[in-house]
Amino acid sequence: DVKVTQSSRYLVKRTGEKVFLECVQDMDHENMFWYRQDPGLGLRLIYFSYDVKMKEKGDIPEGYSVSREKKERFSLILESASTNQTSMYLCASSLSSDYEQYFGPGTRLTVT
Amino acid sequence: QKEVEQNSGPLSVPEGAIASLNCTYSDRGSQSFFWYRQYSGKSPELIMSIYSNGDKEDGRFTAQLNKASQYVSLLIRDSQPSDSATYLCAAGLGLEYGNKLVFGAGTILRVKS
Repeated sequence: DVKVTQSSRYLVKRTGEKVFLECVQDMDHENMFWYRQDPGLGLRLIYFSYDVKMKEKGDIPEGYSVSREKKERFSLILESASTNQTSMYLCASSLSSDYEQYFGPGTRLTVT
Repeated sequence: QKEVEQNSGPLSVPEGAIASLNCTYSDRGSQSFFWYRQYSGKSPELIMSIYSNGDKEDGRFTAQLNKASQYVSLLIRDSQPSDSATYLCAAGLGLEYGNKLVFGAGTILRVKS
């Protein structure tokens, strides 16, 4: 079974803090994705990566950056957290030849 | 803007009935389609993939695809209270878009016992 893990299930941070969310997958998937999910807005793609050290902007990259130094690990960074970044953050991975994405358990981030 | 549209619901069905969930997509280039189930507070779980026109069955689930009409549906037979969840429809964009998926906002399904 594909396993995608995320570093925290719940996180509370203060405005202006730098926040790191980590995602690890154990299936040697090439592609990894970061989404945020908000009520009424659905899943929105923040960034994705199709290879180590490669990254592509998604639909809402502003205020975020990412890092992929190893194939299995994809980090999302909030450089200076703001209250409008309070959300559920979901990581997913897929094979390069396949569209099926498998999600981690999610991190519910609250910025106060 | 490539979109997937779903009725937000809630769709309420009695236990044992067939639940029918639908979505439409805008990108004619999409060749792959997925249904995810998401329980409240949890992450999406992949339950069905479909790539060809027609029906694909897996247990109590049947996915239907009509590319000419740009329409995808999910049928759940013998619905159970444990099927109560939000169902997300997703369409794969072309390889030029990096294997990305575009998701609908989801349909809430409630199965009443």
